[in-house]
Amino acid sequence: NAGVMQNPRHLVRRRGQEARLRCSPMKGHSHVYWYRQLPEEGLKFMVYLQKENIIDESGMPKERFSAEFPKEGPSILRIQQVVRGDSAAYFCASSQGDRAYYGYTFGSGTRLTVV
Amino acid sequence: KNEVEQSPQNLTAQEGEFITINCSYSVGISALHWLQQHPGGGIVSLFMLSSGKKKHGRLIATINIQEKHSSLHITASHPRDSAVYICAVSSGNTGKLIFGQGTTLQVKP
Repeated sequence: NAGVMQNPRHLVRRRGQEARLRCSPMKGHSHVYWYRQLPEEGLKFMVYLQKENIIDESGMPKERFSAEFPKEGPSILRIQQVVRGDSAAYFCASSQGDRAYYGYTFGSGTRLTVV
Repeated sequence: KNEVEQSPQNLTAQEGEFITINCSYSVGISALHWLQQHPGGGIVSLFMLSSGKKKHGRLIATINIQEKHSSLHITASHPRDSAVYICAVSSGNTGKLIFGQGTTLQVKP
């Protein structure tokens, strides 16, 4: 069981480019959460997805950010037209369900740098 | 005021010392989590608590639901314990986590 796999580990994008961050949950986990950690700040919730459904996107910026979790394949966090302020570590966590007793497994994160 | 507050923000200890990190929260929760993050590294889940106390090796976590307070203790601290320790709570019905700001621990040999 490989755990939660995030790739790439590091991503450098120029301003205006698109960034695609991937998260493969643990085997048997159908719930995925994305969190963002801005420099010198704490982790903040972005979006919660189940297979083919966005359940809660209350933490997503209104523009340029989107997320999906297709029936097959990893969950994708997409940032269009990146700006310097998007530079952060993006973490994905997966769970068997949305009940607290399931617990979470985190990935190693993707460090996005916008130059 | 943040919904999850940790103290202290920074902590330096000598190897072997007993360490306590505190976490207070102001929302109703279904569980509280203690996480560990090494510099530039991923996040590791240490404990998930909804009541009482849990122990794993040199780490002990306690929670007092009435007082909305949790503590993480490290006994016989070691330089490899140096990391950021993060308290998080799951609140609401979607399981999303609300995080404290983290406590940066440095254990000197």
